[in-house]
Amino acid sequence: QQQVKQSPQSLIVQKGGISIINCAYENTAFDYFPWYQQFPGKGPALLIAIRPDVSEKKEGRFTISFNKSAKQFSLHIMDSQPGDSATYFCAASKGSNYKLTFGKGTLLTVNP
Amino acid sequence: GAVVSQHPSRVICKSGTSVKIECRSLDFQATTMFWYRQFPKKSLMLMATSNEGSKATYEQGVEKDKFLINHASLTLSTLTVTSAHPEDSSFYICSARDGKVETQYFGPGTRLLVL
Repeated sequence: QQQVKQSPQSLIVQKGGISIINCAYENTAFDYFPWYQQFPGKGPALLIAIRPDVSEKKEGRFTISFNKSAKQFSLHIMDSQPGDSATYFCAASKGSNYKLTFGKGTLLTVNP
Repeated sequence: GAVVSQHPSRVICKSGTSVKIECRSLDFQATTMFWYRQFPKKSLMLMATSNEGSKATYEQGVEKDKFLINHASLTLSTLTVTSAHPEDSSFYICSARDGKVETQYFGPGTRLLVL
C-alpha cells in the first residue's frame, strides 16, 4: 500500500516557467510534510516543509500548498531554472514516530 | 543548516566481506538516525531507525543480522553490511534528527558495489 502518491513521474519545464508537483496521502495521522531535492549521486536536501494547520508556505521560489480536506499537497517552483533540474520527493511523517514515508519521486528537467 | 556526513562515499568490496559505513552529525546532537537504501531512479526505502544507546528498529523485510546498526553516541551511527553479496550493491543514505524538531537532515550517501 503506497501511502504517499506522487505525480507526475517526470516533468519538463522551460526556463522561467512554473513547475508543479503533486502528492496525495492516505493516512490522516500524518502531520508533517517535507519536500526534498536530490541531485544524482547525492543525498536528499530539505527544501521546504509544512504542517497541516497551514494551507500555504513560501520560501523564496518554492511554495507548498496544502489541502487537508483533499489530503493533498503540492510543490510549486516559480521561475524555474536549469539548476533546479533534479529529482524531487515529497514525504510525510506522523507524531513522535518521525519516520518518513516518501513518494516515488519526480524527475524535473528545466530546459534553458 | 545542519550537516550530516557519511564515510566512505564509495566502496567496492568482494563478495563475502563486511563493510562499515559511518554517519555523523557534525553540528548537532542526533537523538535519532535513520538508514535508507536507494536503488537507481527509485525512491528511498527506510531500512531502520536507531536511537542513541538503544537497539535499532528494523523495517519489515530488512535482515537485522545482515545490516548491523550501532548508534554509539549522539553524533555517530554505523551501518555494517555483513557478508556482502552483489545484491547488496546500492546507495545507502543516512539521516539524522535533532531532538528538538522533526526535520531530518540527510547525509551525502555511500555507494556500495559488491563484486
